[in-house]
Amino acid sequence: QVQLKETGPGLVQPTQTLSITCTVSGFSLTSYYMQWVRQTPGKGLEWMGFIRSGGSTEYNSEFKSRLSISRDTSKNQVFLKMNSLKTEDTGVYYCARVSEKGPLDWGQGTLVTVSS
Amino acid sequence: DIQMTQSPSFLSASVGDRVTINCKASQNINRYLNWYQQKLGEAPKLLIYNANSLQTGIPSRFSGSGSGTDFTLTISSLQPEDVATYFCLQHNSWPYTFGAGTKLELK
Repeated sequence: QVQLKETGPGLVQPTQTLSITCTVSGFSLTSYYMQWVRQTPGKGLEWMGFIRSGGSTEYNSEFKSRLSISRDTSKNQVFLKMNSLKTEDTGVYYCARVSEKGPLDWGQGTLVTVSS
Repeated sequence: DIQMTQSPSFLSASVGDRVTINCKASQNINRYLNWYQQKLGEAPKLLIYNANSLQTGIPSRFSGSGSGTDFTLTISSLQPEDVATYFCLQHNSWPYTFGAGTKLELK
């Protein structure tokens, strides 16, 4: 059974760095792309980027300068790191498995609030 | 970036009604258009992939059509459990982009 679960800090201060972990089970990270998507009050759903099955990455230019996606295949984890957070980065962050069908399975999301 | 214009943003319908939701892409995306259902507090669920293919386990009352720039999601007979927000996603080119969503409620 495929499962994805995001774990994040909940509250982050402006200018700080956000770190979120996506822990997966039921499939191998070396067989699928993994993407990150966020949902904010201001912009709705935004595709942030993905890490390919081979480990290379692709980022939305909207975030490119401050976003990093990585993984640890031995732990079945994918990581999102984004620096220089602003209040408008407040939202729910999702990881999702991507197949030839497009984004297929999504985690429940983790709410991140950027506030001092 | 490809812009996805989804309509309507809100829809109220009765049980048994036929419901249609539309997405229009700002340029040709072939058939790389997915539809998702999202209930409050839950993960998005894939309903339709590549414009008209029904995802495994999804009831046959859901269907998709279209290609190029114009796409439609149809619920042939609305059920109470279909109350949710629906959104489209284009995965023809990066960055993938989303429609703004349609909130479907029961009349």
